[in-house]
Amino acid sequence: DAGVIQSPRHEVTEMGQEVTLRCKPISGHDYLFWYRQTMMRGLELLIYFNNNVPIDDSGMPEDRFSAKMPNASFSTLKIQPSEPRDSAVYFCASRRTSGEFGDTQYFGPGTRLTVL
Amino acid sequence: GQSLEQPSEVTAVEGAIVQINCTYQTSGFYGLSWYQQHDGGAPTFLSYNALDGLEETGRFSSFLSRSDSYGYLLLQELQMKDSASYFCAVRDKTGANNLFFGTGTRLTVIP
Repeated sequence: DAGVIQSPRHEVTEMGQEVTLRCKPISGHDYLFWYRQTMMRGLELLIYFNNNVPIDDSGMPEDRFSAKMPNASFSTLKIQPSEPRDSAVYFCASRRTSGEFGDTQYFGPGTRLTVL
Repeated sequence: GQSLEQPSEVTAVEGAIVQINCTYQTSGFYGLSWYQQHDGGAPTFLSYNALDGLEETGRFSSFLSRSDSYGYLLLQELQMKDSASYFCAVRDKTGANNLFFGTGTRLTVIP
């Protein structure tokens, strides 16, 4: 299995620009999670989907952030307009409803976003 | 809400044993998970405890006491490659399917 795939791995952009992060979950996984990690705030959940439907977006910081999951194999996280404080590593993770190890999530390699 | 407490940093000598503790408060408990993250890498699953007791996987073991809302990760025969951050995690709240992660313990293994 290829694991969770994220692109791009690194993104450098200027303040005000639109940023789109992409994620392909593990095949057969029905949950998809978007996290943001910073030194100050640690690992924060932004939003998660179940069977392509957003379940909890209470972690999305503000209206500049939006996420979609048009099908079971693809999700996007969009920031428009981007700001320097959005600089962080963004992880996508997926899991199955019932796994051998409870709530085990499988993380992608992350996208390191730098907003200048 | 949820809260997880774990030490921020631990240093141990190569070949030794180290224990990383985690205490939790949660509105609905399903189990305690542990993840490892190397610098520049992604969190990776290590272990999961739903019931009281010790779970062993090679050099790593994890323990849970539900009555004490407490668990720990035990790393034996430490190797330099074990230097990483270790996170405990619980399900966010009753009925939810997302995880709430602790702030992590940075383990440094020294020669």
